[in-house]
Amino acid sequence: AQTVTQSQPEMSVQEAETVTLSCTYDTSESDYYLFWYKQPPSRQMILVIRQEAYKQQNATENRFSVNFQKAAKSFSLKISDSQLGDAAMYFCAYWGGSEKLVFGKGTKLTVNP
Amino acid sequence: ETGVTQTPRHLVMGMTNKKSLKCEQHLGHNAMYWYKQSAKKPLELMFVYNFKEQTENNSVPSRFSPECPNSSHLFLHLHTLQPEDSALYLCASSQDLTRELSYNEQFFGPGTRLTVL
Repeated sequence: AQTVTQSQPEMSVQEAETVTLSCTYDTSESDYYLFWYKQPPSRQMILVIRQEAYKQQNATENRFSVNFQKAAKSFSLKISDSQLGDAAMYFCAYWGGSEKLVFGKGTKLTVNP
Repeated sequence: ETGVTQTPRHLVMGMTNKKSLKCEQHLGHNAMYWYKQSAKKPLELMFVYNFKEQTENNSVPSRFSPECPNSSHLFLHLHTLQPEDSALYLCASSQDLTRELSYNEQFFGPGTRLTVL
């Protein structure tokens, strides 16, 4: 069974600085998707960025980028120029072609002014 | 209303009560999901519906009973719950399910915070 591990329960960053959230996963599949979801205190979870495993190029979305290391099964999220609105729970998730999104336990990010 | 809405946002119930959670999506999607989010645990998928047919029941106790009358609405009927069922219940929808590797993004509602006394 696929598993997703986020080893950092909490992280903090100063406004305008850069922070990296870690995620590792376990799968025997070769084709799959990886995601980072953001859940602000208002609780509506939104998709931040996604990576298709067959693509070698790391995905980027404005200030958000990933470091995808397929062989190491690592998928970290880098947030550049952190803003107060980035404060949230961040969930790493895996999808391998079934109906199930497999989530990690989440990392709570605090942004300090 | 846009996106995925859930009512009520907060619910407190006793173990002998019967209540229902409602989810409505305004995105024209055909697949809908219930998730349970407990503190310090990964999101747990509970049920999946595709075109009103249940395709997944992730070993959920029978005190949780889903209903999907149409592709826009999803209910979770609750009865004789236990205190450990207290959690945030999230609804999500996606375009549909596919067996091919083509991910359809899931859009989440804000959740219902359930407390069982």
